[in-house]
Amino acid sequence: QQPVQSPQAVILREGEDAVINCSSSKALYSVHWYRQKHGEAPVFLMILLKGGEQKGHEKISASFNEKKQQSSLYLTASQLSYSGTYFCGTASGSARQLTFGSGTQLTVLP
Amino acid sequence: DAGVIQSPRHEVTEMGQEVTLRCKPISGHNSLFWYRQTMMRGLELLIYFNNNVPIDDSGMPEDRFSAKMPNASFSTLKIQPSEPRDSAVYFCASKWEGSPLHFGNGTRLTVT
Repeated sequence: QQPVQSPQAVILREGEDAVINCSSSKALYSVHWYRQKHGEAPVFLMILLKGGEQKGHEKISASFNEKKQQSSLYLTASQLSYSGTYFCGTASGSARQLTFGSGTQLTVLP
Repeated sequence: DAGVIQSPRHEVTEMGQEVTLRCKPISGHNSLFWYRQTMMRGLELLIYFNNNVPIDDSGMPEDRFSAKMPNASFSTLKIQPSEPRDSAVYFCASKWEGSPLHFGNGTRLTVT
């Protein structure tokens, strides 16, 4: 079953923060975050493998609450380059395949 | 590392024609996935292979779709006959155990 992402779209000014949420009705083994720019392939951002795990790369970080079966992606001090559609992909049990959410379209304006 | 290579990048065909999409995964990756992306349905998994063997094809829409992986470095997705509702971007992705998914640049298919 497809994870649910919220919000569907968000518009920011440069320097503002954003949070994107991803929740699943199934127990999760891992959560993967990807960003896709228009006309391009999705690009990997990070994987969270354990409940409670938090990861970060520069000003983009994520958390994984295994109990609540949800993950959040945090973008701080957003830059123009952050614009794109963000997808969470979830894997349950030992499944290798990812099921992706419907995406969150992020637009950063100057 | 050349990444996942897909061909063609764009395909325009008429309804009823056969379409074949091709994918070369990253060398050393042992899992290969075919996804379809549309505005309405997002990124849908069609089928995935592990060590060249199809593991889960439950996402293949119907018998008009078929996929093969004759060896570790090549896979095809075939649609025969094609229909306008098959119009989408088709992505191939590959991974190694424990690694993230690496996507190709996709094939944009238009069926008129």
